Amino acid sequence: AQSVTQPDIHITVSEGASLELRCNYSYGATPYLFWYVQSPGQGLQLLLKYFSGDTLVQGIKGFEAEFKRSQSSFNLRKPSVHWSDAAEYFCAVGAPEGQNFVFGPGTRLSVLP
Amino acid sequence: NAGVTQTPKFQVLKTGQSMTLQCAQDMNHNSMYWYRQDPGMGLRLIYYSASEGTTDKGEVPNGYNVSRLNKREFSLRLESAAPSQTSVYFCASSEKAGGWKYFGPGTRLTVT
Repeated sequence: AQSVTQPDIHITVSEGASLELRCNYSYGATPYLFWYVQSPGQGLQLLLKYFSGDTLVQGIKGFEAEFKRSQSSFNLRKPSVHWSDAAEYFCAVGAPEGQNFVFGPGTRLSVLP
Repeated sequence: NAGVTQTPKFQVLKTGQSMTLQCAQDMNHNSMYWYRQDPGMGLRLIYYSASEGTTDKGEVPNGYNVSRLNKREFSLRLESAAPSQTSVYFCASSEKAGGWKYFGPGTRLTVT
């Protein structure tokens, strides 16, 4: 069965600083991996996804993530954070033909002016 | 193109009352899902429908029923609400199994 951990419950960064949100997964084969963002009171929006191929994937809003099979990780990065990036971020893992994703517990990002 | 819509946005129920949460998608997706979101637990799958006419249990189905009315609509019913069902409920859809999911804006349900 799949599982996802996001070790950081809450991260605070200054505007303009770089960001890395950690995600570790457990899955027996090559998974499908996703990052979603949720602004307060809103639904979840897909930031980026990894299915196969290039292990560095680019997403919307200047985010990228790198799949590292050896570390079972799929960390999300952004070189320069904007105040509007303050939100909750969820990593999810899915099986290629499976219906469900397993979501991590989320990391709440606060941005200082 | 509205994507995934959910009604209502907010609801307060008393213990034992029933209600149905409605979800519709206009992307012609085959698969639809109901999740609940609780603090510190991420999202957990309640039920899903892989295609019109089929439904299957997810991780936390107890206390819920679903109906895939047609390809567009997937409803979630609470027959006898309990305080443990206080949560935010999200409907989602995807074109196929394994594909990324589009989420609705959510329904915030409080059971007193």
